[in-house]
Amino acid sequence: LAKTTQPISMDSYEGQEVNITCSHNNIATNDYITWYQQFPSQGPRFIIQGYKTKVTNEVASLFIPADRKSSTLSLPRVSLSDTAVYYCLVGEESGYSTLTFGKGTMLLVSP
Amino acid sequence: NAGVTQTPKFQVLKTGQSMTLQCAQDMNHEYMSWYRQDPGMGLRLIHYSVGAGITDQGEVPNGYNVSRSTTEDFPLRLLSAAPSQTSVYFCASRRTGAHGYTFGSGTRLTVV
Repeated sequence: LAKTTQPISMDSYEGQEVNITCSHNNIATNDYITWYQQFPSQGPRFIIQGYKTKVTNEVASLFIPADRKSSTLSLPRVSLSDTAVYYCLVGEESGYSTLTFGKGTMLLVSP
Repeated sequence: NAGVTQTPKFQVLKTGQSMTLQCAQDMNHEYMSWYRQDPGMGLRLIHYSVGAGITDQGEVPNGYNVSRSTTEDFPLRLLSAAPSQTSVYFCASRRTGAHGYTFGSGTRLTVV
C-alpha cells in the first residue's frame, strides 16, 4: 500500500481557499486517490476521489499532476464548519482493497 | 435507508470482560470493515470482510474476532477486554465499484 504524507495541521480564515497537499511517491498504477473528512466524534466522510488530472464535485476539487506522486485537495471559500481532519488515502478503487489512514491534516478555520 | 448503524455508542468494560460491538448496514454492501481510532491517531484496520462467510485480518487484529453470517451484519467481538483496547471503534461498508466508504458514527469503548 502506498504511504501518504500530509501536513499535520493548517490554519485558515473564513472565505479563503484552502489547499491541502498529499505526497504519495510510491503510488501504484491501479491506485486511486481518495480524501475523507472527519469531524470530532464522527466517522470519516468521503469527500472526493480521483485517478489523474482534475476532479470536481459540489464540495471540493482534487488536482493530480501527471506523475501522480502528489495530489492537492482544494476547498473553496471555507467556513467555520469546514474545521475538521482531512485524510488522504491511496489504494485500488475497485475490488476489496483495504483503507490505510494516516494521521491526517487538522484544518482549523477561524472567523 | 439508515446507512451504517453501530451499537452501542458508549460502553465501559472491566478488564477481562467480553462483549460484542454491533454493526449493521442496509445498503447491501459487500465490503465491511472495523477500525479503531486512538487519540491523535488515524484509523487502524482491525478486521474486514469481502462478503458473507469471508473475513480477514487487518493491521491490528489481536484480541478481536469477527464473523459475517449475513451481508448486513458484521459484529466485532472482544474476547477478554484490556485497557489497551480503550478506543473509538468505527465500522465501514462499501459496495464494490463505488467511490468511497460509508462509516458508522462509532462506539466509544473504555476498559478499566
